[in-house]
Amino acid sequence: GQNIDQPTEMTATEGAIVQINCTYQTSGFNGLFWYQQHAGEAPTFLSYNVLDGLEEKGRFSSFLSRSKGYSYLLLKELQMKDSASYLCAVKDSNYQLIWGAGTKLIIKP
Amino acid sequence: IAGITQAPTSQILAAGRRMTLRCTQDMRHNAMYWYRQDLGLGLRLIHYSNTAGTTGKGEVPDGYSVSRANTDDFPLTLASAVPSQTSVYFCASSDGGDPNEQFFGPGTRLTVL
Repeated sequence: GQNIDQPTEMTATEGAIVQINCTYQTSGFNGLFWYQQHAGEAPTFLSYNVLDGLEEKGRFSSFLSRSKGYSYLLLKELQMKDSASYLCAVKDSNYQLIWGAGTKLIIKP
Repeated sequence: IAGITQAPTSQILAAGRRMTLRCTQDMRHNAMYWYRQDLGLGLRLIHYSNTAGTTGKGEVPDGYSVSRANTDDFPLTLASAVPSQTSVYFCASSDGGDPNEQFFGPGTRLTVL
């Protein structure tokens, strides 16, 4: 079967750095996405990795290791507005997205 | 303003009733999707359409139907609602290019009693 695993919840302090991990087992791999979803709102696109390595975009970076079936999202200089759920999704061999359940990130002052 | 709209925002429905959730996008995206999101579970694909006139089944299609008569609209119909269809429903679209990220509508919160 296909499986995406993420921690259910994480807590971090404003101004700090947090790493959210995602491991996957899917039928094929055609890219990995990270989305942000604030409570009661729609998911919004954060990043995309298709090759191994680190993609940096401002305070957010995303890393991929295809051989390990592993990705992480790194958030730096945390702000209160970063409190949200972070969803990992893998594009499988049929080019459909398989979604993890999401990691709820709580930021404390 | 370009984007995706969904209607209604929320709905309470009696079991056995028929319901259509509406989704419209003005970005001229080829592909559209319907997901449901339940607490503790990832987004699950119900149906999708790669282009106008075609549709396909996702992971959880039973009890749902869709049509894609034109590029902009992708309605989702529950023929006879059941309580297990209580969920938040998201419509999304993508342009088919690389990386083909999906853009989501605001969602419809549906409660079936």
